[in-house]
Amino acid sequence: GAVVSQHPSWVICKSGTSVKIECRSLDFQATTMFWYRQFPKQSLMLMATSNEGSKATYEQGVEKDKFLINHASLTLSTLTVTSAHPEDSSFYICSASPIGRGEQFFGPGTRLTVL
Amino acid sequence: EDQVTQSPEALRLQEGESSSLNCSYTVSGLRGLFWYRQDPGKGPEFLFTLYSAGEEKEKERLKATLTKKESFLHITAPKPEDSATYLCAVGGGADGLTFGKGTHLIIQP
Repeated sequence: GAVVSQHPSWVICKSGTSVKIECRSLDFQATTMFWYRQFPKQSLMLMATSNEGSKATYEQGVEKDKFLINHASLTLSTLTVTSAHPEDSSFYICSASPIGRGEQFFGPGTRLTVL
Repeated sequence: EDQVTQSPEALRLQEGESSSLNCSYTVSGLRGLFWYRQDPGKGPEFLFTLYSAGEEKEKERLKATLTKKESFLHITAPKPEDSATYLCAVGGGADGLTFGKGTHLIIQP
C-alpha cells in the first residue's frame, strides 16, 4: 500500500517551454501533497506544499509564478515549470501523506533536463 | 528553523559488519522523525517513523531509535542489497520534511 506515481519519469525540453509533471496517490487519498527538488549529490529540498482545493504554499526563494501547482483532487497534484531554463534542470519528486497519518510516501521522481 | 545533520557522510562496510548511522536534529517541536532509503535515480522509500524519545522500530536488519536530540539507524549483519543512501528527516503531518544530507552506505561482499 501507499503507492505514489509520477509522470513523466523523465523529460527533455528546450529553454523557454513549459513542462507539466503529474503526481498521483494510487491507493490512498491525500489532502496534502508536497513537491521537492533534488540537485546532484544533494538532499531533497522542499519547494511547496499543495493542499486540495486551495492555493499552494511555497518555500522561501521558490518562485510561485514559475512553479505552478494545482491540487485538483485528493489523489492528484500537478507541477508546471513555466518558461523553463537550464538552471531548472533537476530531479523533481512529489510526496503525499495519507489522511490522518504523519509520514510521507514519495513518488519515483521526474528528471527534467532543459537544453 | 528545523535542522538535521547526518553522520557519517559515507560509510563502507564488509558484508556482515554491523554499524550505526547518526541523525542529530534541532526542532522547535518534534512532530515526527523519519528514516528513508534512497537508491540512485529513485524517490525515497519510507522505512520508519519515530515520534517520542525512547521509541524504537525494527524492520529486518534495520532498527531505528530516538532520543531528544538524535536518532540512530542500526544495521545488523548488512548485505550488499542494503547499499543505498539513508536519509533522515523531521516534520510531517501538514508540514513538509526537512532532510539531512544523507549517509551513503556501501556494503562490500
